[in-house]
Amino acid sequence: KNQVEQSPQSLIILEGKNCTLQCNYTVSPFSNLRWYKQDTGRGPVSLTIMTFSENTKSNGRYTATLDADTKQSSLHITASQLSDSASYICVVSTINTGTASKLTFGTGTRLQVTL
Amino acid sequence: DGGITQSPKYLFRKEGQNVTLSCEQNLNHDAMYWYRQDPGQGLRLIYYSQIVNDFQKGDIAEGYSVSREKKESFPLTVTSAQKNPTAFYLCASSPFAGASATEAFFGQGTRLTVV
Repeated sequence: KNQVEQSPQSLIILEGKNCTLQCNYTVSPFSNLRWYKQDTGRGPVSLTIMTFSENTKSNGRYTATLDADTKQSSLHITASQLSDSASYICVVSTINTGTASKLTFGTGTRLQVTL
Repeated sequence: DGGITQSPKYLFRKEGQNVTLSCEQNLNHDAMYWYRQDPGQGLRLIYYSQIVNDFQKGDIAEGYSVSREKKESFPLTVTSAQKNPTAFYLCASSPFAGASATEAFFGQGTRLTVV
């Protein structure tokens, strides 16, 4: 069964500190991995998308890594800001021939940045 | 201003009533999706559509129905057969269903509450 597991479930950090969120997956066949940021009561917004051949990708203060051999990804947030408080969702895509690409969602890590 | 728009943002329904959630996109995307989000769970796919006049069941289609009469629109009807309809509903679209690393854009969601 395709699964995406994220850790920790929740995290509280001080403003200005760094943090790393983890994502492990068992999705097969693998197509790409995405990280989304979801503010409370809003739709997810894409941060990064990585294919099999990419092992790191940055978007401002967000840096995602991918190890396709161990099926692990991480999202590193540098110099956190209060506006980073949100849920971060790891999503893994697989392609089924002749059908829409299938996305498997993790349950997310809820990050709270405090003063 | 391009994007994907869901309406209404909040919706209340009495038990036994059908309700329809609207989803419109002006991104010229071929594929559209409906997800349901419940606390502590990842997004689950209800229905998806790759082209006009065609749609497929997702993982939790029971009690829901959709139509795709226009490329821009993919409304979701929550019927009285859905036993636990209270949830946050997200609509998404992507350029081409079969491509690999295509971005999926989400609407802002509709929170449905059964009273």
